[in-house]
Amino acid sequence: EDQVTQSPEALRLQEGESSSLNCSYTVSGLRGLFWYRQDPGKGPEFLFTLYSAGEEKEKERLKATLTKKESFLHITAPKPEDSATYLCAVNDYKLSFGAGTTVTVRA
Amino acid sequence: NAGVTQTPKFQVLKTGQSMTLQCAQDMNHEYMSWYRQDPGMGLRLIHYSVGAGITDQGEVPNGYNVSRSTTEDFPLRLLSAAPSQTSVYFCASRLQGGTDTQYFGPGTRLTVL
Repeated sequence: EDQVTQSPEALRLQEGESSSLNCSYTVSGLRGLFWYRQDPGKGPEFLFTLYSAGEEKEKERLKATLTKKESFLHITAPKPEDSATYLCAVNDYKLSFGAGTTVTVRA
Repeated sequence: NAGVTQTPKFQVLKTGQSMTLQCAQDMNHEYMSWYRQDPGMGLRLIHYSVGAGITDQGEVPNGYNVSRSTTEDFPLRLLSAAPSQTSVYFCASRLQGGTDTQYFGPGTRLTVL
């Protein structure tokens, strides 16, 4: 059975303080790893899809990387508007989600 | 293009009542799914459909029914609501295959008393 574990559960950052979120996974056949952003009271919003180890994708202050066992979401010089819960999901045939990391960025 | 829409946004039920959560998408996506989100547990798949007339169970299907008579609509029915079904429910859709981007609706917050 697919398993996805995200750490830490919560992350409090000062504006400009870079950090990384971790997503470790166990899946029999990875077809894709997805990162989503979720704001309070809203549905998840797609950020990235990674398909193979070594792949990297960037969007503004976010950069996602993938190895054979985990993925990292790096937040560089975060701003308060980056505050959200970040969800990781893996796809074998169905999507399996981690519990998320809630990021709070203080000005 | 409205994307994925869900109604209602909030709902309070009494134990034993039934109701239907509505989900619609206007992107001509074949694949639709229902998730529930509970604190500390992430999103869990309830039911999914790979096309009109085809549905299957996900991880937590008990207490829920679905049907897919059209490509656009995928309603979720609670036959006899229980307090354990208090949760936030999200509908999602994607074009087809497993690595297509999945788009989520805004969610329905359900409380069962």
